[in-house]
Amino acid sequence: DAGVTQSPTHLIKTRGQQVTLRCSPKSGHDTVSWYQQALGQGPQFIFQYYEEEERQRGNFPDRFSGHQFPNYSSELNVNALLLGDSALYLCASSPYRLIMISGANVLTFGAGSRLTVL
Amino acid sequence: KNEVEQSPQNLTAQEGEFITINCSYSVGISALHWLQQHPGGGIVSLFMLSSGKKKHGRLIATINIQEKHSSLHITASHPRDSAVYICAVERAASDDKIIFGKGTRLHILP
Repeated sequence: DAGVTQSPTHLIKTRGQQVTLRCSPKSGHDTVSWYQQALGQGPQFIFQYYEEEERQRGNFPDRFSGHQFPNYSSELNVNALLLGDSALYLCASSPYRLIMISGANVLTFGAGSRLTVL
Repeated sequence: KNEVEQSPQNLTAQEGEFITINCSYSVGISALHWLQQHPGGGIVSLFMLSSGKKKHGRLIATINIQEKHSSLHITASHPRDSAVYICAVERAASDDKIIFGKGTRLHILP
């Protein structure tokens, strides 16, 4: 049973470019959350997708956008890249019905995509 | 002040030692998570708890809701336990996201 898979694992971009990161959730999970983790910091929540809609959003600018597909996979897009966008981008999946029952997330994380902006 | 504070930030110990990592939070929560992150970034969920105590192998997690405090204990520590341990909370009755601590970097010496 595959866990959460993310691609690419590493990538390098220059300022002003755009990037798309991809995430496939764990089998049986329908909710995908994205996090940004700067070096030496804890992850910061970007947004969460369920039923192909953005359900929650953290304190990130509109340059950060996402999408969820019918198969529950998700993409994170970042436009007009800044040097400060360099970070590890983590995807986590969870089953929404369990969130509704327990009120808490049961998260499975991917290994992350490390973005370097030059 | 961060809503989730962890201590210590860094911890080096000898193999076999009993390890305690602390997490304090300032908001009402519905659940607290302990996560383990190895070099390279992969995160593993260790525990999710909302009350009491949970045990898995050599790992024990406790939470005191009244004191807004949780601890992660590692018994008979081993070099393979070396990682960053992150505390994260889910705010109660909120449309909010999970809030993460900055992590505790643990290094177990052989």
